[in-house]
Amino acid sequence: EVQLVESGGGLVKPGGSLRVSCVASGFTLSNAWMNWVRQAPGKGLEWVGRLKSETDGGTTDYAAPVKGRFTISRDDSKTTMYLQMNSLKTEDTAVYYCTTISGGSCYYWGQGTLVTVSS
Amino acid sequence: QSVLTQPPSVSGAPGQRVTISCTGSSSNIGAGYHVHWYQQLPGTAPKLLIYGNSNRPSGVPDRFSGSKSGTSASLAITGLQAEDEADYYCQSYDSSLSGYVFGTGTKVTVL
Repeated sequence: EVQLVESGGGLVKPGGSLRVSCVASGFTLSNAWMNWVRQAPGKGLEWVGRLKSETDGGTTDYAAPVKGRFTISRDDSKTTMYLQMNSLKTEDTAVYYCTTISGGSCYYWGQGTLVTVSS
Repeated sequence: QSVLTQPPSVSGAPGQRVTISCTGSSSNIGAGYHVHWYQQLPGTAPKLLIYGNSNRPSGVPDRFSGSKSGTSASLAITGLQAEDEADYYCQSYDSSLSGYVFGTGTKVTVL
């Protein structure tokens, strides 16, 4: 059974940094394409970024609002994907979800972790 | 800012059929990229409802169906039930943005 569990959310000041994690089980993380998707309080879903499988180069792509500030990485030995967030802004406040990608869809979702950026 | 437009809300009585539209452009739906749909029940994570325009993952009732034509797509719910009250989002890929895009979201209310 595929499971995704996010953690690491919390309160951080504007301009600060935070790393959230996504522990994957039930599949081989290095063989998977993975997404980060966020949802601001009371708002819709927003794609954050994507990590391709190792066989497809392991490259990353990011949405314009986070490009240059956020970095996605993977630790296969820990079956964990990370989202490193730097230079955080109040508008980054959201629940952050990790998802698997299949045929362009977000197939499996984690439960999310809340990141609050506030002074 | 979402590039896929959905109606903010739709409603129907139990047993009725409702449809949700998802309007895109020539750089996403119109370019041939697949459309996917998600259901988000209150206080929970989104769940994949339809993938590849019209396919249902295992466990999704056949009351839910998807279609795509031109630069738009639609989600239909037939035999509406109280448990279908949720937010629904469409999603595709946009070549001009080089990334995935979500719809604005639609709240379904069962009267």
